[in-house]
Amino acid sequence: EIVMTQSPATLSVSPGERATLSCRASQSVSNNLAWYQQKPGQAPRLLIYDASTRATGIPARFSGSGSGTEFTLTISSLQSEDFAIFYCLQYNNWPPWTFGQGTKVEIK
Amino acid sequence: QVHLVESGGGVVQPGGSLRLSCAVSGFVFSSYGMHWVRQAPGKGLRWVAFIGYDGSKKYYADSVKGRFTISRDNSKNTLYLQMNSLRAEDAAVYYCAKVPYDIRPDIFYIDVWGKGTTVTVSS
Repeated sequence: EIVMTQSPATLSVSPGERATLSCRASQSVSNNLAWYQQKPGQAPRLLIYDASTRATGIPARFSGSGSGTEFTLTISSLQSEDFAIFYCLQYNNWPPWTFGQGTKVEIK
Repeated sequence: QVHLVESGGGVVQPGGSLRLSCAVSGFVFSSYGMHWVRQAPGKGLRWVAFIGYDGSKKYYADSVKGRFTISRDNSKNTLYLQMNSLRAEDAAVYYCAKVPYDIRPDIFYIDVWGKGTTVTVSS
């Protein structure tokens, strides 16, 4: 099973600042990695797939990078609606499909 | 517009059974694989099960293998999760989730999620 590790667990950022979230895989997942955003009481929403492709309707301030075992989600200028928990998901080696434990982005 | 609507959650005693349903609309259900993913209170997302577009391929997390069964009825546009021998640790919000079309084989990430249904296991 591939273990996905996200860091940091919590990120405190002021509106307008940049946020950088990390996701590390225990072995290579090529670029088969997705990022999701989840707000309290809501279902997750797909932001990025194939490590760097924005999903339909996702603002350009969200970007993904990386391949192999190291991945990054960057939010270039945080808006109030961006504060949430973010998860990565690997879909390269399955089953199981595995999520990271999440990074909470909170208002500083 | 794609819609996934889960139902069937509720309170069940340890050892009991429950069947979750996910009614879908807005896409050709019979052409897409589907997942169940769960989230325990205050915890992260955990994959539970996957079924291929025609039901011929099924995969399960080790934690539910032998107790849960994923199935689908393409004539009814509905996904199911039969949950038997429920344990306290199965308590969670259960999401059904759709796999996107991808020309590459064996690419099964999630592009759309339902709102979830809550399962509580308690005596």
